[in-house]
Amino acid sequence: EPEVTQTPSHQVTQMGQEVILRCVPISNHLYFYWYRQILGQKVEFLVSFYNNEISEKSEIFDDQFSVERPDGSNFTLKIRSTKLEDSAMYFCATSGGPTDTQYFGPGTRLTVL
Amino acid sequence: EDQVTQSPEALRLQEGESSSLNCSYTVSGLRGLFWYRQDPGKGPEFLFTLYSAGEEKEKERLKATLTKKESFLHITAPKPEDSATYLCAVQAYTGGFKTIFGAGTRLFVKA
Repeated sequence: EPEVTQTPSHQVTQMGQEVILRCVPISNHLYFYWYRQILGQKVEFLVSFYNNEISEKSEIFDDQFSVERPDGSNFTLKIRSTKLEDSAMYFCATSGGPTDTQYFGPGTRLTVL
Repeated sequence: EDQVTQSPEALRLQEGESSSLNCSYTVSGLRGLFWYRQDPGKGPEFLFTLYSAGEEKEKERLKATLTKKESFLHITAPKPEDSATYLCAVQAYTGGFKTIFGAGTRLFVKA
């Protein structure tokens, strides 16, 4: 069964460093999403991406965040200058259409020290 | 403001004791409602998608229903392996599609 994969599973970084989280979507999916979940809190929408551009973003997704699909297979989330409060699980999700079921990856646990 | 509220926050059941989880929502331009299961440290696992009031879907011991203001996830004769957090999410259209999650219901099923 096709699945969304994410790397790395765990990333530890120093405050102020840049990190790139990677996702490989299900192959025929066209819509891509990033979410984050701070420990013990709800899953929060960050951004949706379609046709090589951002479709929608939340107020969390400020200038320190960016997304791209660099090579037609990977979908990445970059955090330019990490802060302590960026520590969270980051989930990638993909869907075939804008209102279709979103399938989630296993997540990347980001720890900012 | 768009909002999704799940109740109860936590639910403890004996094995075989059926119950229901609630997801109430106030969103403009609802396009779909999703139920997911999440185990600790894992990504949400898809269960159901519902699109219109009156729709029902079933899978094993789970059944999801949708009205204009809320959705229920019914669990029939649960087993200990059903213990997890159950997440409800709604997709709204406000010029663009945005998905809003509830805080989840933590279900504990005791043998």
